[in-house]
Amino acid sequence: GNSVTQMEGPVTLSEEAFLTINCTYTATGYPSLFWYVQYPGEGLQLLLKATKADDKGSNKGFEATYRKETTSFHLEKGSVQVSDSAVYFCALSDLYNTDKLIFGTGTRLQVFP
Amino acid sequence: NAGVTQTPKFQVLKTGQSMTLQCAQDMNHEYMSWYRQDPGMGLRLIHYSVGAGITDQGEVPNGYNVSRSTTEDFPLRLLSAAPSQTSVYFCASRKAGGTYNEQFFGPGTRLTVL
Repeated sequence: GNSVTQMEGPVTLSEEAFLTINCTYTATGYPSLFWYVQYPGEGLQLLLKATKADDKGSNKGFEATYRKETTSFHLEKGSVQVSDSAVYFCALSDLYNTDKLIFGTGTRLQVFP
Repeated sequence: NAGVTQTPKFQVLKTGQSMTLQCAQDMNHEYMSWYRQDPGMGLRLIHYSVGAGITDQGEVPNGYNVSRSTTEDFPLRLLSAAPSQTSVYFCASRKAGGTYNEQFFGPGTRLTVL
């Protein structure tokens, strides 16, 4: 079945460091891919998405490119801030039932000043 | 708009007790879903609904019931709580149509079953 694998956390960085959080997926067909972010004490918010191969999603300085050949959707940011500290979830949606989001286990990011 | 609201925020139950987690949205979204979040497992879909009167099972439906009598509300019922249901529960909603419409999540309910 469909699945998402994320790198283990926590990821600990200093402010202004470069961030990469790895995400790979297994799916039938060509699903849509997403990054959601969960700030402390809050629900999840959509950070960015890509709906087809080679699409790049971007938002708030974060980027991720849908790579079909490597089945990956790695999240990157060139210069993190303390306010980026959160848990990041990679997810995919079933091609035929977009209500069914399949999430990775989440990666906690901690950014220190 | 309040978005997606959930009550209660925290709840402690004893094994065998029943309760209902409330979820409401004021965005006139057709689709609503319930997820549970457990450490090291991400979020897993419990039940979902594509409109009033229509519900379906997700990945982990056992031990939970849902109904959708109105567009706005989508309560999740635990009939006989078990310690394995200790988790954080999130409700989500989205608009129908299109290739993909963003899901909006509520703030969550933290449930502990003793």
